[in-house]
Order: sequence, then C-alpha cells, then structure tokens
Amino acid sequence: EVQLVESGGVVVQPGGSLRLSCAPSGFTFDDYTMHWVRQAPGKGLEWVSLISWDGSSPYYADSVKGRFTISRDKSKNSLYLQMNSLRTEDTAFYYCAKGGSTDPYYFDFWGQGTLVTVSS
Amino acid sequence: EIVMTQSPATLSVSPGERATLSCRASQSVSSNLAWYQQKPGQAPRLLIYGASTRATGFPARFSGRGSGTEFTLTISSLQSEDFAVYYCLQYNTWPFTFGGGTKVEIK
Repeated sequence: EVQLVESGGVVVQPGGSLRLSCAPSGFTFDDYTMHWVRQAPGKGLEWVSLISWDGSSPYYADSVKGRFTISRDKSKNSLYLQMNSLRTEDTAFYYCAKGGSTDPYYFDFWGQGTLVTVSS
Repeated sequence: EIVMTQSPATLSVSPGERATLSCRASQSVSSNLAWYQQKPGQAPRLLIYGASTRATGFPARFSGRGSGTEFTLTISSLQSEDFAVYYCLQYNTWPFTFGGGTKVEIK
C-alpha cells in the first residue's frame, strides 16, 4: 500500500524558514518523480514543485521560485521542501504527492498534508 | 500559464441523478487532464487521468471525456459518497494548473 507521510508544518513568522519532509512507503521511491502541492485553508489546489526520479530536474511555480527548494535523499528515502523568506500567502496545507505510473506529471497518491501557518 | 476554468462552481444534485462537470483549458492540453475528488478534511484522490482512464477504486459510474480544451466528468447516478469537491488538473504544460473546483452538493 502506497503511503506518504508529511511532517514539519508549524507556525512561523513572515520572513522565516521551514523544512517540510515526506516519508514514502509502499513503492520504489527512487523510480518516481515527486511533487509538492499546496492548498490554502478553504481554497483550491496549487502545484508548487516537482523533482525528477534522479533529482536532476527540479521545477517550481513562479510564486515560490527563488524561495523554495525541493530535494530528495535516496539514502533516507525522503522528500523535502526547504521554504525560505516565507510570506503570509504561503499559509496552506502542503501535500507530498507521487508522480503517476504512466506519466510523471499527474499525481496518483497524496499524503494527508501538513499545515504551514505564516503569521506574526 | 494555462488557465483551467471549471463550471459550475456548485452543482446541486439529488441522489440517483446524473451530474456533469465541465473543465475548460485556455489552450490545448491534449489528453493530459486529470480529475481529483476531495472530501472535507481529506487529501485529494486521483479519479481520472489521461482525460478518460478511471483510477483504481472508483466505480464505472464515473467517466471522463474530452481532449484539447474541453473536458467533462460525468457521474451517472450520484451516490451519497460522491458528494465532494472535484478538481481538474492539466499536466501537459509546466506549470501544471488546477481548475477552481466544482462542489457537488445534495439537493
């Protein structure tokens, strides 16, 4: 059974930094593109970032480019999102999602999300 | 950036009735379109990918069709567990973009 467990969400002040983690299980992590998707409370979904299976090709939404960094650690079987220069508009549930089996750019499994609140 | 527009924003349907949800892309996304179902307090769940392929665990009353810029999700006979918010996603062109969602509620 595929599982994705996010952690690291807390309350942080504007301008602060935070690192989210995602622990995958139930599939071969090294074989799949991984994504972060966010959802502000009561709002819609926004794709944030992706990283290819080998970590060579990270992509970002314009709204986070230059502030967020996605990475993966094969030895720790983990996905990360380093978030710097946080803004109030970054407040959201952050979901880790697995790239699809037939195409890496849709998301076939999602974690339950971790809440990041940016507030003074 | 490709803009995805879903309509209607809210759809009020009685159990057993048919529901048709629309998703329109501002430019062609070929068949690289997915649908997600989200229930309150839960993560989204993949429903349809490749515009028309149903994901594991969803019954045949859910169907997707379309290509290019116009897509529809049809639920042939709504059951109580189908009341939720549905989002479309285009994954043809980076950055990948979602529609604003359609809430299917009980009439």
